[in-house]
Amino acid sequence: EADIYQTPRYLVIGTGKKITLECSQTMGHDKMYWYQQDPGMELHLIHYSYGVNSTEKGDLSSESTVSRIRTEHFPLTLESARPSHTSQYLCASSELPSGGASQYFGPGTRLLVL
Amino acid sequence: AQSVTQLDSQVPVFEEAPVELRCNYSSSVSVYLFWYVQYPNQGLQLLLKYLSGSTLVKGINGFEAEFNKSQTSFHLRKPSVHISDTAEYFCAVSENTGFQKLVFGTGTRLLVSP
Repeated sequence: EADIYQTPRYLVIGTGKKITLECSQTMGHDKMYWYQQDPGMELHLIHYSYGVNSTEKGDLSSESTVSRIRTEHFPLTLESARPSHTSQYLCASSELPSGGASQYFGPGTRLLVL
Repeated sequence: AQSVTQLDSQVPVFEEAPVELRCNYSSSVSVYLFWYVQYPNQGLQLLLKYLSGSTLVKGINGFEAEFNKSQTSFHLRKPSVHISDTAEYFCAVSENTGFQKLVFGTGTRLLVSP
């Protein structure tokens, strides 16, 4: 059983607000990821990290930012939320080196920006 | 860059019937292949993966998949489905070099009815 947690699970917020989506894992994994998933669509990688103090942008351009100060924690921040940010955000982690290592996913955060 | 195609957006099937969910991929290098399942309001859970070796891979919940390099396919099968198998199924591929990012297909919704 994977131990990766995301909070909040659901968030409804007004335009212009700053939000932080939390992601934590207790498996000691070095690699962590943020995906964006719209209903009925595939997952798009928006950020990833090799380890502490490492962050990279993914394949899908995103106005969000991430940080990796601790191995277990990989929060995602939106400085000014807009309706276009409405989506589901999934956090995942995997071991290094990868060698086909499985990614373990959190339950996701459903964000609705009004 | 790699890509994944899941041709069937939805597959309806009766309980206890067999099912096959199709997945085709493209890549210029060797790949790892994965199938994930997503139940409503949850994150993704790994069903099975192909790294190397035997082309027939067995996973959890009675699912199996066969890697066919010549047809660049990785179809998922189950001989007898249950109501509880109703979910979204995602095929994913990662190249076996570099960061090994996962690229997902658009998903197939399996609908099992009594």
